[in-house]
Amino acid sequence: AQRVTQPEKLLSVFKGAPVELKCNYSYSGSPELFWYVQYSRQRLQLLLRHISRESIKGFTADLNKGETSFHLKKPFAQEEDSAMYYCALGAGSQGNLIFGKGTKLSVKP
Amino acid sequence: EADIYQTPRYLVIGTGKKITLECSQTMGHDKMYWYQQDPGMELHLIHYSYGVNSTEKGDLSSESTVSRIRTEHFPLTLESARPSHTSQYLCASSVAYSRAPQHFGDGTRLSIL
Repeated sequence: AQRVTQPEKLLSVFKGAPVELKCNYSYSGSPELFWYVQYSRQRLQLLLRHISRESIKGFTADLNKGETSFHLKKPFAQEEDSAMYYCALGAGSQGNLIFGKGTKLSVKP
Repeated sequence: EADIYQTPRYLVIGTGKKITLECSQTMGHDKMYWYQQDPGMELHLIHYSYGVNSTEKGDLSSESTVSRIRTEHFPLTLESARPSHTSQYLCASSVAYSRAPQHFGDGTRLSIL
């Protein structure tokens, strides 16, 4: 079955510390992976997707097919990074996205 | 500016009422979606549409219904609201190709008393 697992419900780090939000997926085919972010009182928005291989707001994510992971990383967290982060898998013929349960990132001053 | 709009943002209403949540997009997208999300929790796909006159049920069973008479409009209706329908409803849209990234509206926070 297609599934996205974000093992951490809450991740708390201090400003300037590195941050890694974990995402593992289950899918036998060729996946497309996305990270979405939801800041307080704002809409859910696309942060990055693996095929773009770009850095957005200092965040990067690398697809590791061997480990079926797509972890989101940032070397130096900022307070404005505090938000809910959702990993999503695009899979199957219908192409709908399957979302993980989300990780709340809290960056403390 | 191209965007996706949801109205109302908040709705508090009594049990048994008929409710329609509106979603419109000016992005020229063919595919549209409805998700149900409790605050800070995962998103559950309840309906989606490939285009005009196309509606499909999502992964989470829902008592709501949807229609797609116009490309830009994808309303969700609850014929008789119940407290169990209390949740946040998110509308999204994307281009038609498989696995395209989705663009979300601000959501409607629904409370049924």
